[in-house]
Amino acid sequence: ETGVTQTPRHLVMGMTNKKSLKCEQHLGHNAMYWYKQSAKKPLELMFVYNFKEQTENNSVPSRFSPECPNSSHLFLHLHTLQPEDSALYLCASSQDQLSSYNEQFFGPGTRLTVL
Amino acid sequence: KNQVEQSPQSLIILEGKNCTLQCNYTVSPFSNLRWYKQDTGRGPVSLTIMTFSENTKSNGRYTATLDADTKQSSLHITASQLSDSASYICVVSNKAPGGTSYGKLTFGQGTILTVHP
Repeated sequence: ETGVTQTPRHLVMGMTNKKSLKCEQHLGHNAMYWYKQSAKKPLELMFVYNFKEQTENNSVPSRFSPECPNSSHLFLHLHTLQPEDSALYLCASSQDQLSSYNEQFFGPGTRLTVL
Repeated sequence: KNQVEQSPQSLIILEGKNCTLQCNYTVSPFSNLRWYKQDTGRGPVSLTIMTFSENTKSNGRYTATLDADTKQSSLHITASQLSDSASYICVVSNKAPGGTSYGKLTFGQGTILTVHP
């Protein structure tokens, strides 16, 4: 295991539902990331938190709302999603965002299906 | 625009055979290139990282090469095993521009490798 856990592993929701994805890292890292992975497309960076401060929002629609209460936990709150939001959502962590040499450790992902 | 292109999109080989995956990039200024392996149902795991001055780096049966002049990298897998079936992702980082403290990652779309017995 990579030391990064994500729950739930699978989620099916309707377009009017509100749900949250949770990520927890046990590596003592200070940077955490949310990615979207769609079939046959490169990973898309959504949000970055460095020392609990949001440092990147990659033009993500407001129906996705991140929350980082501390350096070990990261949430992604979902509301009024669209079917095209169905994808694998990956969480990652790294020592910090100060060096691109820092390896990112990924969780197993949450497979999200929006009906 | 920074881009990373991987080929082939998918590859099927027999167990025990060798294979080579390709990665071409236009990321500039270049900082480092990393290969990840992503098993089905799991997140990516780093295999190797190479900087500008490194031509080759090995990790067991995986050998990555880098030609910074032509902006190409390859991942060679020797004596493939069934457990090598996965998606292999090439990720290139640029150097932090002046005024910021970190570079950006550009991901390739991945090569799906299937190893048959």
